[in-house]
Parts: sequence; C-alpha cells; structure tokens
Amino acid sequence: EDQVTQSPEALRLQEGESSSLNCSYTVSGLRGLFWYRQDPGKGPEFLFTLYSAGEEKEKERLKATLTKKESFLHITAPKPEDSATYLCAVQDSGGSNYKLTFGKGTLLTVNP
Amino acid sequence: GAVVSQHPSWVICKSGTSVKIECRSLDFQATTMFWYRQFPKQSLMLMATSNEGSKATYEQGVEKDKFLINHASLTLSTLTVTSAHPEDSSFYICSATDYSYEQYFGPGTRLTVT
Repeated sequence: EDQVTQSPEALRLQEGESSSLNCSYTVSGLRGLFWYRQDPGKGPEFLFTLYSAGEEKEKERLKATLTKKESFLHITAPKPEDSATYLCAVQDSGGSNYKLTFGKGTLLTVNP
Repeated sequence: GAVVSQHPSWVICKSGTSVKIECRSLDFQATTMFWYRQFPKQSLMLMATSNEGSKATYEQGVEKDKFLINHASLTLSTLTVTSAHPEDSSFYICSATDYSYEQYFGPGTRLTVT
C-alpha cells in the first residue's frame, strides 16, 4: 500500500527565513510525485510534478526536489502570503486510474 | 488553463434529504474525475474515481449506494449524497485529469447536514 508522510506537521517562519518541508514516500513504482498548496476552505492548487530521482523544479520562491525515497519543498525568503498547507501526493505506476495518495500536509505560517 | 469548478460552494440540508454536487472541467476534457472528502485538519481521502460513460470505482469503505457518482460527459461529473446524515458533513472536493498524469482540483463544496 502506498504511503506518504510529511514533516513537520506545522512550521512557523519569520518572513525571509528559508526552510524546507519533507515528504517521505513508499510506493511500489513511482509514476509521479505532486506538490499542492491548499488555502483554508479551498481546493488544492497544483504546484509541481516530479517524475524521477534527481529532478528539480522551481516556481518563484519554491523549489521541489526528488530522491528515491523523499521529496523536499524548499522555500526561499518566504513571505506572509506563502502561508498555507502544503500537500504532497504520489501516483503509483502500477495503477491505471491516476489515483493520488496524499500525505497529511504541512501547515506553514509565515509571520511578517 | 486547467480550471475545474464546483457547484454549489456550500450547501446546508436537513438529515434524510439528498444533495447533488456538480464538478465541471471548464477548459479541457476530463477523461477521469475524482471525488475526495476532507475533514477538518485532515488530508484528502479519495472516495471514488469515475471515467466518462462508465461506472465509478469506489474506495474501500465508501458506500456506493449512499454516494452516487455520475460522469455523463467529458466535462461534468456529479456526486449525490443520498439520505444525508450529520456525519456526512464535510468538505467535498473533485479533481479532473486529461491524458496527462496531473490532477486539477475544484474549489470544494462545504456540506452541512442538520
């Protein structure tokens, strides 16, 4: 069974204080690892898809990296508007229906 | 691109009644749509997967007779919660995918059963 564990559960940063969120996963075969941002009361917003170990993707202050066992979401010089829950999900290559298995998320709070 | 809408955004219904939630892909054709449920401070739990023109596939523990899913076209899927009870109160989110592996999520529907 696919498993996704995110840490920490919650993270408080000062504006400008860079940090990383971790997503550890267990899957029989990885088709893709996904990062989403979710604001309270809203649906997840797509950020990145990573497909193979060593792959990196960047978007503004966010950078996602992938190894064979985990992924990191690096946040550089965060701003208060980066405050949200960040969700990690994996898609198993053995599945035929594109099913995603989600972690519980990391609640990020960036204080001004 | 890749916009998914849901309607309504929130709904209140009485116990024992049924409520229908619509999920639409606005600018692409969705070969597969997914329905999730999210309880407060918890992650998304997949309820079912639906492909256009065929029966939905439900996850273990999800009552298919209670949560009716219809995917009649490549841009519309509906979730009907039948005989709703207070424990069905939750945040329901749909997602859609085309021929890529990426899922795009709707804004969610807050259901409150009184």
